[in-house]
Amino acid sequence: KAGVTQTPRYLIKTRGQQVTLSCSPISGHRSVSWYQQTPGQGLQFLFEYFSETQRNKGNFPGRFSGRQFSNSRSEMNVSTLELGDSALYLCASSLLAGDEQFFGPGTRLTVL
Amino acid sequence: AQSVTQPDIHITVSEGASLELRCNYSYGATPYLFWYVQSPGQGLQLLLKYFSGDTLVQGIKGFEAEFKRSQSSFNLRKPSVHWSDAAEYFCAVGAQSGATNKLIFGTGTLLAVQP
Repeated sequence: KAGVTQTPRYLIKTRGQQVTLSCSPISGHRSVSWYQQTPGQGLQFLFEYFSETQRNKGNFPGRFSGRQFSNSRSEMNVSTLELGDSALYLCASSLLAGDEQFFGPGTRLTVL
Repeated sequence: AQSVTQPDIHITVSEGASLELRCNYSYGATPYLFWYVQSPGQGLQLLLKYFSGDTLVQGIKGFEAEFKRSQSSFNLRKPSVHWSDAAEYFCAVGAQSGATNKLIFGTGTLLAVQP
């Protein structure tokens, strides 16, 4: 069974631009969560989706948004990029909420 | 407030030596507890998890962890470390309610292995 895939793996953007990251969960998994990892703040929860509904959201500004499609694939969008948005963005999927989560390799976003 | 503390930022051990990584948590309800490992440039791999039952849990790669409710701890152990164990290790806590998958992570412990 294929694992969680994230595209693209690397991305370079400039301040003020917007970016969309994609996550394909393990087949059959309906829950997708997103995390931001930075050297200064560590791993922080962004949001989670289950059956196309956002169930929970972390403490991030409204520039960060996401969605989930009917096939459980998820996207997150960051608008008006700031230098501090440079991070590794990790996606995780699980069969149901509360189950073991499997992480993808992440998307490394660099904002110049 | 919910939190996870990993007091050791960096640990160096010799290959073949035993290892213990510390993790303390603060959580209002009975938590799910996890240990993940991250190699450079990679995502997180689950080493083991505690949901309920036996407080000593076995994981992959020869790791084990013990849940001690009275000490709010979930320390990770390995009897003999291999050079390939060099990585960063994260302890995490999640809700048992099943209503959310949100995990709260510790700041991580970077493990170096000396030959």
